[in-house]
Amino acid sequence: NAGVTQTPKFQVLKTGQSMTLQCAQDMNHEYMSWYRQDPGMGLRLIHYSVGAGITDQGEVPNGYNVSRSTTEDFPLRLLSAAPSQTSVYFCASLPGGRDTEAFFGQGTRLTVV
Amino acid sequence: RKEVEQDPGPFNVPEGATVAFNCTYSNSASQSFFWYRQDCRKEPKLLMSVYSSGNEDGRFTAQLNRASQYISLLIRDSKLSDSATYLCVVNTNAGKSTFGDGTTLTVKP
Repeated sequence: NAGVTQTPKFQVLKTGQSMTLQCAQDMNHEYMSWYRQDPGMGLRLIHYSVGAGITDQGEVPNGYNVSRSTTEDFPLRLLSAAPSQTSVYFCASLPGGRDTEAFFGQGTRLTVV
Repeated sequence: RKEVEQDPGPFNVPEGATVAFNCTYSNSASQSFFWYRQDCRKEPKLLMSVYSSGNEDGRFTAQLNRASQYISLLIRDSKLSDSATYLCVVNTNAGKSTFGDGTTLTVKP
């Protein structure tokens, strides 16, 4: 059971480059989310989705796009990378509803130079 | 003000000690509450849910006070393996999870 799979695990980008962080889950969960975690801080919500075709902004959405064409996949696109986007990115999925556990991918460590 | 605030820590305690972490939340519409554990910048993992009546899982006890919008986690008889960052998490009806910044615990021999 793979759970939540994120790729890549590490990435270095130059300022202005674009890229897509991949996230896939095989648990048929309705909810999926993207977070970033900066040193010494908790996770901040970037975008989330409550089902295929439905996405919404979180706390820190600027500079990122998402789409949810299937239940399984929730890619995060960085449109024009900036050094301020250097962070660890986590994807999470939840079965749905408010009382359920979030399952996280292993994270993507992104450095923008 | 942050939506979820935690004791900044760090907490450094000897093995066998009892330690308590506090968390407050500002959104009165919050519906569900959790404690997650995170090791060395790895992915967070659920430690326990927090229920209004309070709940216990072995050495861990979680409490919720809705009137004061306050959540706590008590760890008894601390082990070296309890060293980690503990994240307070609050969910709204919309299924959005808001995380506190975490409290770091180091248990020393």
